[in-house]
Amino acid sequence: QVQLQESGPGLVKPSETLSLTCAVSGYSISSGYYWGWIRQPPGKGLEWIGSIYHSGSTYYNPSLKSRVTISVDTSKNQFSLKLSSVTAADTAVYYCARGFFPRAFDIWGQGTMVTVSS
Amino acid sequence: EIVLTQSPGTLSLSPGERATLSCRASQSVSSSYLAWYQQKPGQAPRLLIYGASSRATGIPDRFSGSGSGTDFTLTISRLEPEDFAVYYCQQYGSSSRGTFGQGTKLEIK
Repeated sequence: QVQLQESGPGLVKPSETLSLTCAVSGYSISSGYYWGWIRQPPGKGLEWIGSIYHSGSTYYNPSLKSRVTISVDTSKNQFSLKLSSVTAADTAVYYCARGFFPRAFDIWGQGTMVTVSS
Repeated sequence: EIVLTQSPGTLSLSPGERATLSCRASQSVSSSYLAWYQQKPGQAPRLLIYGASSRATGIPDRFSGSGSGTDFTLTISRLEPEDFAVYYCQQYGSSSRGTFGQGTKLEIK
């Protein structure tokens, strides 16, 4: 079955760039679907960050667009998130997920906690 | 920007009872691009309903979604012990920010 697994540093310093990767197994990214990132601050709700189509088209939340880059590496069957100039407000569990629409997701990774602190 | 408001914030019910969760949008949600997710502690969200009323793959038929425009409802016909969780609605239209509601916590009474 389709599985997604996030990886990356659990601690990032303020003003630096957060970088995460999502490895996909059981499905070839190049075959279709959207691939997205969603985050959840501790004890709070969900926020869509952005998504990428298998062709490379990207969709970003306007509130984060200036700081977000999502890319795909079909040779490794993975996609990545970069969030620049992070602050404590970016501390959250970050989920990667498969989307049937750019902003709606049917299969999720387990999530990875990222803390922004010096 | 469409804001989704879920009610109640917390719903206390017993297994076997019927649960009705509400999601109200500040503007009409285009083409019923409304989804419901279930999230248990320490787990990722799980898609339950999309297109306001279509069940996702593998979701039991005790879960149903309804509504259109600005008012949407998730109904769980007969609560099982595993249904106690937090539920989020989300609008995902092409002009949206993919915003989620603040969640309804369904707890055991």
